[in-house]
Amino acid sequence: QQQVKQSPQSLIVQKGGISIINCAYENTAFDYFPWYQQFPGKGPALLIAIRPDVSEKKEGRFTISFNKSAKQFSLHIMDSQPGDSATYFCAASRAGRRALTFGSGTRLQVQP
Amino acid sequence: DGGITQSPKYLFRKEGQNVTLSCEQNLNHDAMYWYRQDPGQGLRLIYYSQIVNDFQKGDIAEGYSVSREKKESFPLTVTSAQKNPTAFYLCASKTGGNEKLFFGSGTQLSVL
Repeated sequence: QQQVKQSPQSLIVQKGGISIINCAYENTAFDYFPWYQQFPGKGPALLIAIRPDVSEKKEGRFTISFNKSAKQFSLHIMDSQPGDSATYFCAASRAGRRALTFGSGTRLQVQP
Repeated sequence: DGGITQSPKYLFRKEGQNVTLSCEQNLNHDAMYWYRQDPGQGLRLIYYSQIVNDFQKGDIAEGYSVSREKKESFPLTVTSAQKNPTAFYLCASKTGGNEKLFFGSGTQLSVL
């Protein structure tokens, strides 16, 4: 059972454009929703995270939008840059419970 | 520098052979995790350990084994029972009370 569904699988955006990646979850007990960024041959690194008590969180060019009723959250990358080209994973977890459940990943390519 | 060290970076396994992937952290983190990454499938949890001398199975533990004899170390053995071991293996850790997961740079395991 895939508890976190991520789309699209791949995304091509022009430099300066907005990149949008979406995730949907099934387990209403999830209460922590991070996004990880992974460059080829490296491990993922935490980019930004949100908890369900807020609907939006912004850090620089990166914003998470969270819709609790729809059980969806998304990552928006404003003014996308070639250096943002990477694979992005959404994830979810429940406080005090074992580990993160990851989405299937989105490969983002920002063209110069 | 504090961090998570995985070795080797590349590993080849022969038919019927057991191989061990190393994971060492100097972050003083209590919890450690092993994930398997396959293209298009995201990260799947193999095993995790929240304290020394204790570990639990994740979603895909069959064909794998672990030990946690020291806080700093969490080696993963891929046994001959794992029929499809080719994947990118990621070790991660976090401290109690903090949800941020830190990843190593991974080990790419291939079958000869």
